[in-house]
Amino acid sequence: DAGVIQSPRHEVTEMGQEVTLRCKPISGHNSLFWYRQTMMRGLELLIYFNNNVPIDDSGMPEDRFSAKMPNASFSTLKIQPSEPRDSAVYFCASSLRPGLAGHAGANVLTFGAGSRLTVL
Amino acid sequence: EDQVTQSPEALRLQEGESSSLNCSYTVSGLRGLFWYRQDPGKGPEFLFTLYSAGEEKEKERLKATLTKKESFLHITAPKPEDSATYLCAVQAAGAQKLVFGQGTRLTINP
Repeated sequence: DAGVIQSPRHEVTEMGQEVTLRCKPISGHNSLFWYRQTMMRGLELLIYFNNNVPIDDSGMPEDRFSAKMPNASFSTLKIQPSEPRDSAVYFCASSLRPGLAGHAGANVLTFGAGSRLTVL
Repeated sequence: EDQVTQSPEALRLQEGESSSLNCSYTVSGLRGLFWYRQDPGKGPEFLFTLYSAGEEKEKERLKATLTKKESFLHITAPKPEDSATYLCAVQAAGAQKLVFGQGTRLTINP
């Protein structure tokens, strides 16, 4: 398997523009997570999906952020309009929902390489 | 609220100089504690999962241990290729998400 695939790897945009980040999870995984990493706050969970359904979006900072998962092999994270404080590395991760494999309840995430966003 | 605190923030060692990284946590019932390794420009890479106090796991020069309040990642005779940021995360009972610490940036000088 090619692992979790994210695009673009780097994005530089101007304040106010729309940004769309994309993620293809590992085939067969049924949970998908979006994290944001900054020097100040580390890795923060934004939202996660089970079987394409959003379960917890409490980490989404504002209404400017939205995420979708139209099918089991694709998810997007959209920021509209973007602001300089959105600059960060955004990671997508996938897993097999706990209880379905391995140790009961353990949620081993496999991360993508990340999308580095710079908003000027 | 589940919290994870890692120390030190950064650690610089000479090749072959053993040491330990600390991960202190508070969680409402621990389902699992995870260690990940992150290289610059890459995503975190899974190393270990620990489930209960007293458990230990090893992988090459790394050994992870767990108590009811903290976990240690012991690095024995490290090599320059062990240089990376090491992240600790917890999963609470009944939850699915992982809460991460800020990480320890480890540098091994040849």
